[in-house]
Amino acid sequence: GAVVSQHPSWVICKSGTSVKIECRSLDFQATTMFWYRQFPKQSLMLMATSNEGSKATYEQGVEKDKFLINHASLTLSTLTVTSAHPEDSSFYICSALPSGRNTGELFFGEGSRLTVL
Amino acid sequence: GQSLEQPSEVTAVEGAIVQINCTYQTSGFYGLSWYQQHDGGAPTFLSYNALDGLEETGRFSSFLSRSDSYGYLLLQELQMKDSASYFCAVRSPPVKAAGNKLTFGGGTRVLVKP
Repeated sequence: GAVVSQHPSWVICKSGTSVKIECRSLDFQATTMFWYRQFPKQSLMLMATSNEGSKATYEQGVEKDKFLINHASLTLSTLTVTSAHPEDSSFYICSALPSGRNTGELFFGEGSRLTVL
Repeated sequence: GQSLEQPSEVTAVEGAIVQINCTYQTSGFYGLSWYQQHDGGAPTFLSYNALDGLEETGRFSSFLSRSDSYGYLLLQELQMKDSASYFCAVRSPPVKAAGNKLTFGGGTRVLVKP
């Protein structure tokens, strides 16, 4: 099956610092990857759509300068939370859509739990 | 925009059958997916309906009626390990740069009791 690797799984940082989260598709190519954010006991909220070789498409209300997304290759997308604040503490999950597949299935990474002190 | 409604919580006993309904209002629709998520874990894919009707995968089945903007997930022969959150998600049409994205419902927490 398709595997998506996401790391780090856990990260604790000081307020004002930046944190980078990586999302890799291990055994398939993904033209498109998605970044979600999830607060405890809530749903997954789409933050942005990451397309290889082009700028990410951000959802309404998501600050593109705060959440930098780079999709430099067909197997890697990164999310950088810049100048993190405690309210950015959340569970960030990436997902990837295998190129050319049309089953409606997204493959999710294991998520990254960010705590900003 | 997209709006999905599903019950917040359901409790049932082992061996029972649970149906989780999902109604949606969307600006574009390409299919309805269902995902399971255990606490602290990543969502895992359960089922996908692009056309009307019932899709059966083992103990789990999913139904879609596009004319009613409605679908449901049916969990049969409930087991303790089925205690988790279940999300319906609408897939946007695969057009332009932001296509194929999934918009999730609020989730239904299923608690299975002995």
